[in-house]
Amino acid sequence: EAQLVESGGGLVQPGGSLRLSCSGSGFSFSDYPMHWVRQAPGKGLEYVSGITFSGHTTYYADSVKGRFTTSRDNSKNTVFLQMSSLRADDTAIYFCVKDLDTSAWGVFDIWGQGTLVTVSS
Amino acid sequence: SYDLTQPPSMSVSPGQTARITCSGDALANQYTHWYHQKPGQAPVLVMYKDKERPSGIPERFSGSTSGTSVTLTVSGVQAEDEGDYYCQSSDSHGTHVIFGGGTKLTVL
Repeated sequence: EAQLVESGGGLVQPGGSLRLSCSGSGFSFSDYPMHWVRQAPGKGLEYVSGITFSGHTTYYADSVKGRFTTSRDNSKNTVFLQMSSLRADDTAIYFCVKDLDTSAWGVFDIWGQGTLVTVSS
Repeated sequence: SYDLTQPPSMSVSPGQTARITCSGDALANQYTHWYHQKPGQAPVLVMYKDKERPSGIPERFSGSTSGTSVTLTVSGVQAEDEGDYYCQSSDSHGTHVIFGGGTKLTVL
């Protein structure tokens, strides 16, 4: 059974940095694009970033471009989200998600449980 | 525009049919996907490419399109169908992913 497990969330001060990790299992991790989606408390879903299966290409929402970096280590079945210059409005649950099939982009069939990032002084 | 518009809420009685709409210019040329989220849980994909149902999703879920609007239909609504539903699509390049604001479905 395909599964994603996020880690690395926590409390960080405005302007600080944090790195999230997401470990995948139960599927051929290196074949699939991977993404990050976030949800602020009581709000809807917001797309954050995506990375191709090879890791060669990444995409970012305008709200995080220049501050967040997505990368992956296929040898460890892990995708990362490096977040810097964090702001209060980055406070959210961050979900790691997998694409439905190897040729898809933006069809999210497997979601992690999410990790909470709180930006506050 | 890249915005997707959904009604904020709707309510139905058990056994009735719920039709949740999503509209936006992007939908004329891009597929739409739907997710169901219960409180405290991660979203679940319930429909993709407008009308394809993932394995394990009940047949009472169906999808349809009409121009720049798509509809997720839940026939014979059950209590377990309560929660938030989000539509999702992308821009013309297929890389800019967008979500609708979500529709809270209440089963009376």
